[in-house]
Amino acid sequence: KNEVEQSPQNLTAQEGEFITINCSYSVGISALHWLQQHPGGGIVSLFMLSSGKKKHGRLIATINIQEKHSSLHITASHPRDSAVYICAPLGNQFYFGTGTSLTVIP
Amino acid sequence: DVKVTQSSRYLVKRTGEKVFLECVQDMDHENMFWYRQDPGLGLRLIYFSYDVKMKEKGDIPEGYSVSREKKERFSLILESASTNQTSMYLCASSFTDRNQPQHFGDGTRLSIL
Repeated sequence: KNEVEQSPQNLTAQEGEFITINCSYSVGISALHWLQQHPGGGIVSLFMLSSGKKKHGRLIATINIQEKHSSLHITASHPRDSAVYICAPLGNQFYFGTGTSLTVIP
Repeated sequence: DVKVTQSSRYLVKRTGEKVFLECVQDMDHENMFWYRQDPGLGLRLIYFSYDVKMKEKGDIPEGYSVSREKKERFSLILESASTNQTSMYLCASSFTDRNQPQHFGDGTRLSIL
């Protein structure tokens, strides 16, 4: 079962580039979580959103509930943004995408 | 800041051993979760607990049990460890409000030899 699809699976970017990570899901949800996982394992919550758009620093997350799609954008990317980004829609439980591995090269 | 603390970052055990993974949170969260994370499979829910002494099976409970005797502590137990339980284990906690985010620990990388 693949309730959540993320794309791309892997992404390499030059420092300063604008980055977009996409998440599509098939379940009905009340909210969606974007998570960041650095090498070594720890996971950090970036956003929890149920509609529209949220912005935090250089990160922007959008969601379209009708189209069952969310995007995470990173403006002016930096090597410290290198991490795995995980989309987690919240239906009757949290569903998790397999993650997008981002590498930002100086 | 919410702190979710897992007892070990790395753990090596032998097949057949009983293994305990401990998780403690300091934010009075009602919900606590145990996940395992494997390459290409993402995070999969093993068990969760919504209150002291309460537990619910997740997607992959076989070979595992849990214990929640106190609100702040949620233990994952591998009754008889097997090599296919080698994985990264992540604990998380959250408030009851389902629209509140989960907060994760740093993970325990468990190897079963």
